Amino acid sequence: ETGVTQSPTHLIKTRGQQVTLRCSSQSGHNTVSWYQQALGQGPQFIFQYYREEENGRGNFPPRFSGLQFPNYSSELNVNALELDDSALYLCASSRGGTGELFFGEGSRLTVL
Amino acid sequence: AQSVTQLGSHVSVSEGALVLLRCNYSSSVPPYLFWYVQYPNQGLQLLLKYTSAATLVKGINGFEAEFKKSETSFHLTKPSAHMSDAAEYFCAVAPKRQAGTALIFGKGTTLSVSS
Repeated sequence: ETGVTQSPTHLIKTRGQQVTLRCSSQSGHNTVSWYQQALGQGPQFIFQYYREEENGRGNFPPRFSGLQFPNYSSELNVNALELDDSALYLCASSRGGTGELFFGEGSRLTVL
Repeated sequence: AQSVTQLGSHVSVSEGALVLLRCNYSSSVPPYLFWYVQYPNQGLQLLLKYTSAATLVKGINGFEAEFKKSETSFHLTKPSAHMSDAAEYFCAVAPKRQAGTALIFGKGTTLSVSS
């Protein structure tokens, strides 16, 4: 069983640029959630996708957007990057509402 | 609004000693509760979850947690710490109707284990 994989693992961007992070969900999982984890903090919910539709969103501005594809993989896009966007971005997949999220190892974004 | 408070950002124990990591939640309805562990440069791994069945929940690696509604607590314990338990631990809460999604995490507790 293949777990959740994320790419890239590390990347550096400058303020104002745009970034796309990718996530492949675990086999059999149809729900993908994205979390932002700032240094020394717990993860914060960005949004969730179920069957290609966004069905939940946390307190993040519209410049954070996402997609889910028919194979349930997902992308997180962040436009107009700000310094505070520097964080570990975690993707998690689940089989609907089973109560267990399976996390990838994350993409660490540094904004200079 | 739901929230989670983890008491103590850093806990240090000796190998073989009891591990106790504290978590209190606020919720207007009985929630789902989770403990996750994060090793350096890795994602989060589920240790255990409470979903309104038994109040004492057993997880992986010898950890367990007890749901106490009267105290709104879900503390994590392990009878005997091992060096490999050193990691960051997160308590999380979710509304029942959204089990497993839109988790609200605490700020985490770093567990250090000394020999």
